[in-house]
Amino acid sequence: GAVVSQHPSWVICKSGTSVKIECRSLDFQATTMFWYRQFPKQSLMLMATSNEGSKATYEQGVEKDKFLINHASLTLSTLTVTSAHPEDSSFYICSARDGGTQYFGPGTRLLVL
Amino acid sequence: AQSVTQLGSHVSVSEGALVLLRCNYSSSVPPYLFWYVQYPNQGLQLLLKYTSAATLVKGINGFEAEFKKSETSFHLTKPSAHMSDAAEYFCAVALGASGSARQLTFGSGTQLTVLP
Repeated sequence: GAVVSQHPSWVICKSGTSVKIECRSLDFQATTMFWYRQFPKQSLMLMATSNEGSKATYEQGVEKDKFLINHASLTLSTLTVTSAHPEDSSFYICSARDGGTQYFGPGTRLLVL
Repeated sequence: AQSVTQLGSHVSVSEGALVLLRCNYSSSVPPYLFWYVQYPNQGLQLLLKYTSAATLVKGINGFEAEFKKSETSFHLTKPSAHMSDAAEYFCAVALGASGSARQLTFGSGTQLTVLP
């Protein structure tokens, strides 16, 4: 089946630094990838839709200058959390669309101190 | 607009018993429906999906779900629970014509506990 990887799986950083998370589709090409955020014991919240070769589409309330998304190739999308603060600590999950189905990465746990 | 309601945030069953996780959807057009499972500190794994073909869908690990348009439901079942089934389960709906972004809307999730 379709496999999506994320790197890193967890990261701890100091407040004010930037963190980049990579999402890769390993065995298929994905023109569309999605970035979600999940708080403990809660469902997934869509942050943005990443389209290869064009600007990402952000959901209402998500700061595009805070969460930079780049989808430079058909197998790679990156999410950069700029000037991270403790409230950005969360579990970030990406997915890649293959046909009509989204396949999810294993997630990245971010802790901002 | 689309939405998903999962009834019961926590479900407990005994090992070997029937598993039934409920999902109702709201959609203005024929939906695509999905069930995903999430183990602790992991991403989501696709269990099964309904894409307007057969209404009874069989997935991995012995799970199946039946699409009932009249009831706007897509409940997930498994005849006999295993300890390894303990996890969080999410129902999701997607809309959009072929080639569109097909954004997913997730339910709030159901935590399944399997008792020995």
